[in-house]
Amino acid sequence: EVQLVESGGDLVQPGGSLRLSCAASGFIFRSYYMAWVRQAPGKGLEWVAKINRDGSDNAYVDSVNGRFTISRDNVKNSLYLQMNSLRVEDTAVYYCALALSSYFDYWGQGTRVTVSS
Amino acid sequence: EIVLAQSPATLSLSPGERATLSCRASQSVSHFLAWYQQKPGQTPRLLIYDVSYRAAGVPARFSGSESGTDFTLTISSLEPEDFAVYYCHQRDTWPWTFGQGTKVEIK
Repeated sequence: EVQLVESGGDLVQPGGSLRLSCAASGFIFRSYYMAWVRQAPGKGLEWVAKINRDGSDNAYVDSVNGRFTISRDNVKNSLYLQMNSLRVEDTAVYYCALALSSYFDYWGQGTRVTVSS
Repeated sequence: EIVLAQSPATLSLSPGERATLSCRASQSVSHFLAWYQQKPGQTPRLLIYDVSYRAAGVPARFSGSESGTDFTLTISSLEPEDFAVYYCHQRDTWPWTFGQGTKVEIK
């Protein structure tokens, strides 16, 4: 059974940093693209970052480019999102997503990030 | 960035009725268009991919179609469990984007 379990969300002050983790199991992690998607309170979905199978290629939405870093550890079967210079507008639930097909068809339950003073 | 404009924002219907949800792309997304369903407190569920293919386990009452840059999700006869928010999504061009969502609510 595919499982994606996020952790690391917290309350942080503007300008602070957090590192989100996503522990994956039930599939061959190194074989699939992964991504982070966020959802601000009461709002829609937004793709944040994506990473290829071996971690050599990634991409970010403009609003986080230069502040967030996506990475993966194919030995530990884990996906990460290092978030620096956090802003109030980064407040959201962050989902780890897996593309077993050509679309992201498995999602974790999410971890909540609140940026507030 | 490709903008996906969904309409209507809210659709008020009764069980058994037909639901038609629209998604208009600001430029071509080829066939790389999907639909997700999200219920309150739950994660998104992939329903339709590549415009018209149902994901595994998705009932046949859900169907997708296109006309140029206009895409449609149709639910032929609403079941109680279908009342949710629906998002279209394009993966043709990064940044991938979602539409703002259509809420299908019970009338």
